Order: sequence, then C-alpha cells, then structure tokens
Amino acid sequence: GDSVTQMEGPVTLSEEAFLTINCTYTATGYPSLFWYVQYPGEGLQLLLKATKADDKGSNKGFEATYRKETTSFHLEKGSVQVSDSAVYFCALRMGAGGTSYGKLTFGQGTILTVHP
Amino acid sequence: NAGVTQTPKFQVLKTGQSMTLQCAQDMNHEYMSWYRQDPGMGLRLIHYSVGAGITDQGEVPNGYNVSRSTTEDFPLRLLSAAPSQTSVYFCASGLAAYEQYFGPGTRLTVT
Repeated sequence: GDSVTQMEGPVTLSEEAFLTINCTYTATGYPSLFWYVQYPGEGLQLLLKATKADDKGSNKGFEATYRKETTSFHLEKGSVQVSDSAVYFCALRMGAGGTSYGKLTFGQGTILTVHP
Repeated sequence: NAGVTQTPKFQVLKTGQSMTLQCAQDMNHEYMSWYRQDPGMGLRLIHYSVGAGITDQGEVPNGYNVSRSTTEDFPLRLLSAAPSQTSVYFCASGLAAYEQYFGPGTRLTVT
C-alpha cells in the first residue's frame, strides 16, 4: 500500500539555521504530495503542496520539490524562526475517483524546536 | 465561517462506555473524514465520507461507527470504549480531494 516515511526527530535548531526535513514515499501511481504543520494545541494546517513531478510548493519561506525519480518531497527553509517550532507532517494523496478519493496517507511527523 | 468545529475538546471515558464525537463544517464541503493521532504514528484514517449518505472505512475503522445524514455533520461514535482508543481525534473536510481543513481535535482518554 501507499506509505510515507519522514526523517526521525525531534529536530532542534538555532534561529536562522537552515532546515531540511526529509520525506520519501511509496505509491502505485502518481500521488499529490503535501506538507502539513501542527502548532502546539492546534489542528493541522496545509503548509504547501505539489501535484505533479518537478512541481515546487512554497509558503511562508518553506519549499519542497516533488522528485519522482527519488520519490521524495523534502521540506526546506533557509532561515528558521522560533515561531516555526511545530510538528511537520508529510502526506500523499492518490488521484481522485474511486475508493481512494480524498484519502491522505501521513508520515509519522517530525517535531521541530527552534531556540533563540 | 467557523470552519471545522469539534466537540468536546477533552473527554475521559471508562472502558465499555460509549460516546459520540461531534464534527461540523460550514463550508459546504463534500468530503469529510476522521483521523486519530498517536505518538510516532502520524495520523491514521478511521472513516471518511464523500457526501451525505455515503461513508466508507479507512485504515483503522474497528470500534468506530459513522453516519452522514447532512452535508454539515459527520459524527464519530465509539461503541464500547477501550484503552487502545486513547488518542487525539481530528475531523477534516474539503471540497477538492486534496485541500482538506482540519478541526482543532478532541483529546480522548479511556481508563
């Protein structure tokens, strides 16, 4: 079945450091890929998405590129802030239609803590 | 728009009790779903619905029931609570298959 694997955390960085959170996937077909962020005590929010190979999703200084050849969607940010401390989830969704319509498959989540 | 709302925020149950977690959305979304979040396991899909009157099972449906009588509401019923159902439960809704909006969650403890 479809699956998503994220780098194990937690990740601890100093403010203004470079961030990479690795995400790889296994899927039959061509999924859409997502990064969700969960701030403490809140639900998940969509951070960015990419729907086909070589697409780059970006939002709030975060970027991720859909790499079909390596089945990866790594999340990056050039300079993190304390306010970026959160749990980050990589997820995939197979094409609409049929029983897989709308179903998201999540990675296990990576806790990011940014210190001043 | 209130978005996706969930009640209650916290709940403690004894083993064997039943309860319903409520989820409502005011965005006229067709697609709604329930996930549970457990440490180190990400979110796992329990049940989902692609419209009123249509529901289907996700990855971990055992011990849970759902129904979708209206577009707005998608309650999750625990039939006989077990300690293994201690978790944080998230409801989500969306128009398009991939743009899903999550509620704030319900933290459930079963003793």
